[in-house]
Amino acid sequence: EVQLVESGGGLVQPGGSLRLSCAVSGFTFSNHLVDWVRQAPGKGLEWVGRLRKRAFSYVTEYAASVEGRFTISRDESKNSLYLQMNSLKTEDTAVYYCTRDAGATGYWGQGTLVTVSS
Amino acid sequence: EIVLTQSPGTLSLSPGERATLSCRASQTVSNTYLAWYQQKPGQAPRLLIYGASSRATGIPDRFSGSGSGTDFTLTISSLEPEDFAVYYCQQYDSSPLTFGGGTKVEVK
Repeated sequence: EVQLVESGGGLVQPGGSLRLSCAVSGFTFSNHLVDWVRQAPGKGLEWVGRLRKRAFSYVTEYAASVEGRFTISRDESKNSLYLQMNSLKTEDTAVYYCTRDAGATGYWGQGTLVTVSS
Repeated sequence: EIVLTQSPGTLSLSPGERATLSCRASQTVSNTYLAWYQQKPGQAPRLLIYGASSRATGIPDRFSGSGSGTDFTLTISSLEPEDFAVYYCQQYDSSPLTFGGGTKVEVK
């Protein structure tokens, strides 16, 4: 069964850092694209970044709003994907989801809430 | 970047009525790589339609998607009480992934 489970959210001060995890089961990063998508409170969905699969050399891509501050990495031994978030801003407050295959196969995690506030 | 514009922003309807939601893209979405999601408060998005017109697993046939190029439509043929929610379109043709702003279907 395919599952994605996010963790690591919490309250952090502006300028701080946080690392989110996306633990996956039922598939591997080598064969599937994985994206991070976020949703600010009461707002719509916003793409954050992605890890392309092995055939595309595991290239990472980022939204302009997080480029240079956020970094996606993976640990295949732990079947986990990470979103390292630095220099956090209040506008980064959101529920962060990981999703497989650009969302188009329906596999999404339940999300983890990140609150950036002093 | 492909910008998706959804209309209307809010749709006020009664159970049993037909809902028609629109999603317009700023440029052609190739290969009909367009999806529709339903989202309820506190829940992750639920995939309804992919490839513009293919229903995801377990989705009732009252949900249907159509369109190509820049104009896409989600139709709910007869609203059930559990269908009142927010609906998003999303293109996965090109990076970055983009989403429409959403249409809220509310009880009239």
